[in-house]
Amino acid sequence: QVHLVESGGGGVQPGESLRLSCAASGFTFNNNVMHWVRQPPGKGLEWLALISSRGSTTYFADSVKGRFTISRDNSKSIVYLQMSSLRPEDTAVYFCVRVPVDLGSQTFFDSWGQGALVTVSS
Amino acid sequence: QSALTQPASVSGSPGQSITISCTGTSSDVGSFDFVSWYHQYPGKAPKLLIYDVSYRPSGVSLRFSGSKSGNTASLTISGLQAEDEGDYYCLSYTISSTWIFGGGTQLTV
Repeated sequence: QVHLVESGGGGVQPGESLRLSCAASGFTFNNNVMHWVRQPPGKGLEWLALISSRGSTTYFADSVKGRFTISRDNSKSIVYLQMSSLRPEDTAVYFCVRVPVDLGSQTFFDSWGQGALVTVSS
Repeated sequence: QSALTQPASVSGSPGQSITISCTGTSSDVGSFDFVSWYHQYPGKAPKLLIYDVSYRPSGVSLRFSGSKSGNTASLTISGLQAEDEGDYYCLSYTISSTWIFGGGTQLTV
């Protein structure tokens, strides 16, 4: 059974940094592309970033490009989201999501973590 | 880039059918058959309902179906049930190798 568990959330002040981790289990992690998605309180979903299965390719939404980086450690089955220069508008629940390898176009997400809340406030 | 356009809310009675639209542009919805749909209960993680416009993952009810015409994708739910309440989001791949969600639609049954 696929399991994604985010950690590292919490409260920070504007301008500070934070690193989220997502521990994966129940599947062969190094086969799957992974993404991060966020959801501000009471608002909709926003796609943030992608990392390829080997970690060689990454893409970012314009809203976080240059401030956020995504990486992965396939030996530990963990994907990271390093967030810097955080702003109040980055306050959100952050989800890590999996792209299936054996289904369709691989442009969608078949498994989601429970989310980690990040609050940016002075 | 702005979110794909979805109605803020829709409602229906048990047993009825409803359709949620998701309108994008020729840079996203109109360029690929790579639209997916998700259902989210408050405080929970979203769940995949439809992928690649019209395909259902195993375990998803036949009551859910998807389609696309031009720059607009649609999700139809037939035989509405109380458990269908919640928020629905569309997602599209874009020509910039990024992804974009719809603004979300709240369904009341």
